[in-house]
Amino acid sequence: NAGVTQTPKFQVLKTGQSMTLQCAQDMNHEYMSWYRQDPGMGLRLIHYSVGAGITDQGEVPNGYNVSRSTTEDFPLRLLSAAPSQTSVYFCASTPPSSGTDTQYFGPGTRLTVL
Amino acid sequence: SQQGEEDPQALSIQEGENATMNCSYKTSINNLQWYRQNSGRGLVHLILIRSNEREKHSGRLRVTLDTSKKSSSLLITASRAADTASYFCATDNQGGKLIFGQGTELSVKP
Repeated sequence: NAGVTQTPKFQVLKTGQSMTLQCAQDMNHEYMSWYRQDPGMGLRLIHYSVGAGITDQGEVPNGYNVSRSTTEDFPLRLLSAAPSQTSVYFCASTPPSSGTDTQYFGPGTRLTVL
Repeated sequence: SQQGEEDPQALSIQEGENATMNCSYKTSINNLQWYRQNSGRGLVHLILIRSNEREKHSGRLRVTLDTSKKSSSLLITASRAADTASYFCATDNQGGKLIFGQGTELSVKP
């Protein structure tokens, strides 16, 4: 298993541009989530999904959209990038019927918005 | 707002010493988890303790949970240089949301 993969590893955007951060897992995990990590702020939950077709908002959802058309993929879309969205983004997944127990994290995407 | 508050923010010790990190939270929880993050990497799950448990061990890790004080501690015994990392507590207080603290940066000097 490749585990949780994220692409790209690094990205630089200009203010107003849009882009999609990709996240995929090959472990048949139902629960997937997106976090952002800023210095001194720990991780903050952006959006999460308990299964294909079901998504919900976390702590800081504004400016981001998600969809979950398959179990494997959970892309995060930035609609109109802003400098405040400069951060490191982590995707995570959890085994079936485990809720939020034992999340497996991807390696992260470092995003800079100029 | 952050659910977990961790203390201290940074900790520097010598190899062989014990490291203790504390986490306080605000609302009722289903479980509390500890994760480690090496510099520039993703988080790795260390241990989970459920709200009806008071203490749990995993190798050199010992976690305690006091739900009356809404606090938890992580003890790493006989620390090694390889334990140098950031450590985060995370609480599951309602289905579907795991809320992380700000983390403790641990530095273990050889």
